[in-house]
Amino acid sequence: AQTVTQSQPEMSVQEAETVTLSCTYDTSESDYYLFWYKQPPSRQMILVIRQEAYKQQNATENRFSVNFQKAAKSFSLKISDSQLGDAAMYFCAYRSAYYGGATNKLIFGTGTLLAVQP
Amino acid sequence: DVKVTQSSRYLVKRTGEKVFLECVQDMDHENMFWYRQDPGLGLRLIYFSYDVKMKEKGDIPEGYSVSREKKERFSLILESASTNQTSMYLCATRTPVSFGNTIYFGEGSWLTVV
Repeated sequence: AQTVTQSQPEMSVQEAETVTLSCTYDTSESDYYLFWYKQPPSRQMILVIRQEAYKQQNATENRFSVNFQKAAKSFSLKISDSQLGDAAMYFCAYRSAYYGGATNKLIFGTGTLLAVQP
Repeated sequence: DVKVTQSSRYLVKRTGEKVFLECVQDMDHENMFWYRQDPGLGLRLIYFSYDVKMKEKGDIPEGYSVSREKKERFSLILESASTNQTSMYLCATRTPVSFGNTIYFGEGSWLTVV
């Protein structure tokens, strides 16, 4: 079974600085998707960035980028120029690329709570 | 934009009550999910549905059931609520492969069982 591990329960960053959130996963599959979701306090969970395992190039979305190391099964999120609005719980998630049944589900890590200091 | 609506944001129910959590999506997606979120445990899948009247158990289905009579609506049912079901419940839907194969969430339903 696949697992996702986020070893940093809490992180803190100064406004305008850069922070990296860690995520490792375990799988025997070769094709899959990885995601970072952001959940602000009492607000909706939203997708930040996604990475297809077959793509070697790291995904980037504005100030958010990932460092995807397939051999090491590592998928870290880098937030550049941190803003107060980035404060949230961040979840790393895995999903198989094989279609059908339970493979549709997302498997989540336990989350990293990011605080942004002004 | 994908819209996933959970009709009840905050509920307080008594032990033994039957509880319905409703979720509606507006994009005709086949796949819908119910997750439970607890501190330190992340999100865990309760049930999912891949079409009308089709459902499969997730990782923690005990104490829950689901109903999907129409494509746009996926309901989570607690037949007899217990205090250990106090949690945040998240509904989600998945876009087709041709639209990115991505999962989108509703705003969540906070359930307290007393």
